[in-house]
Amino acid sequence: AQKVTQAQTEISVVEKEDVTLDCVYETRDTTYYLFWYKQPPSGELVFLIRRNSFDEQNEISGRYSWNFQKSTSSFNFTITASQVVDSAVYFCALTMGSQGNLIFGKGTKLSVKP
Amino acid sequence: DAGVTQSPTHLIKTRGQHVTLRCSPISGHKSVSWYQQVLGQGPQFIFQYYEKEERGRGNFPDRFSARQFPNYSSELNVNALLLGDSALYLCASSSAPDRSHEQYFGPGTRLTVT
Repeated sequence: AQKVTQAQTEISVVEKEDVTLDCVYETRDTTYYLFWYKQPPSGELVFLIRRNSFDEQNEISGRYSWNFQKSTSSFNFTITASQVVDSAVYFCALTMGSQGNLIFGKGTKLSVKP
Repeated sequence: DAGVTQSPTHLIKTRGQHVTLRCSPISGHKSVSWYQQVLGQGPQFIFQYYEKEERGRGNFPDRFSARQFPNYSSELNVNALLLGDSALYLCASSSAPDRSHEQYFGPGTRLTVT
């Protein structure tokens, strides 16, 4: 079965704190893709990153970084020096089978307070 | 270039009625997918279309149907609306339907069934 688990329902931090959002996935596929999306209050899902199962190299983009570990089936997302504009719901997702259908976790609501 | 557009933005319907939601993909994208996002949950896959053909279907009843037009825009139809159909309906487009391509989401249509 394909499944994505985001155990943290809500996280609240103060501006400039670092925060890590956890994502654990299950799949029988050997080739798969993992994604992170951001959903601000406006509702539109914003694509953040895509990672394929053969590339375990960590990635950094500005204040964002991602840690992919196949051994623990995890794809965690860290925001360094958080800002109020980072407040949103963040979703981790996995593609299913040979098609591009996304399976989403339930999301983590991040609140960054000034 | 314009992103994914959806119409209408908001919609209120009564139980038993029918609704049609519309989506225009990013220019050049030929694949459109529909997702339902119930409050507090991650989006759930409904349909995927590519080159006017259905490529995938999620676990939704036959009351849900969709189609894609020659210009790659798409409609999602829901018949005999139930209260449980109240949700944010998201449309996503990608250049191809396979799992390696990221999907770009529109702002969604918020449907309320009373």
